[in-house]
Amino acid sequence: DGGITQSPKYLFRKEGQNVTLSCEQNLNHDAMYWYRQDPGQGLRLIYYSQIVNDFQKGDIAEGYSVSREKKESFPLTVTSAQKNPTAFYLCASSTYGSGGLYQETQYFGPGTRLLVL
Amino acid sequence: EDKVVQSPLSLVVHEGDTVTLNCSYEVTNFRSLLWYKQEKKAPTFLFMLTSSGIEKKSGRLSSILDKKELFSILNITATQTGDSAVYLCAHSGGSNYKLTFGKGTLLTVNP
Repeated sequence: DGGITQSPKYLFRKEGQNVTLSCEQNLNHDAMYWYRQDPGQGLRLIYYSQIVNDFQKGDIAEGYSVSREKKESFPLTVTSAQKNPTAFYLCASSTYGSGGLYQETQYFGPGTRLLVL
Repeated sequence: EDKVVQSPLSLVVHEGDTVTLNCSYEVTNFRSLLWYKQEKKAPTFLFMLTSSGIEKKSGRLSSILDKKELFSILNITATQTGDSAVYLCAHSGGSNYKLTFGKGTLLTVNP
């Protein structure tokens, strides 16, 4: 089955701790994205990567870091510098369409809910 | 700054009602407008609209875009309790295909 998997489903973070959220896709998609969703808010872009070994900051990158060493994997680390990390984190991916243009449609994983102890 | 505004933010209807959800946007470089349905977890893709006036339809759901007035609507006819969800609108603009999302409309369909 092709799709995007995220783990863990729930994650608890202690003060001062870095935690890493996993995102894997077997859709052979080129681009991957991380979003944060707070109650009553839409999705806000944290980081995105259009190609292996390259990534760009989104709108709310402070306190987060990412890596893209493999096409299928795009882990997100929530560092201790992120003072308000409690949120629902969604990973998404998209691919090139015909003519070398990206398809705008993004497909989402099931999400990870991060809670602070 | 690119922006997407959805209205209403929440809506409660009875089964069988027809609902219209609104999405207005401001964008520097418009490419497309997308609608997603989010029940508990992952948003699932509904429609992508790129041209004005052409209705996209899937069962009881339909959507249309007005690029002159910068808005889109999502219609759901004969609503069912399974339509209860947050409906997200997003636009794609610029060269990197980032999506900018609205806050969503929470639709509750009561039996």
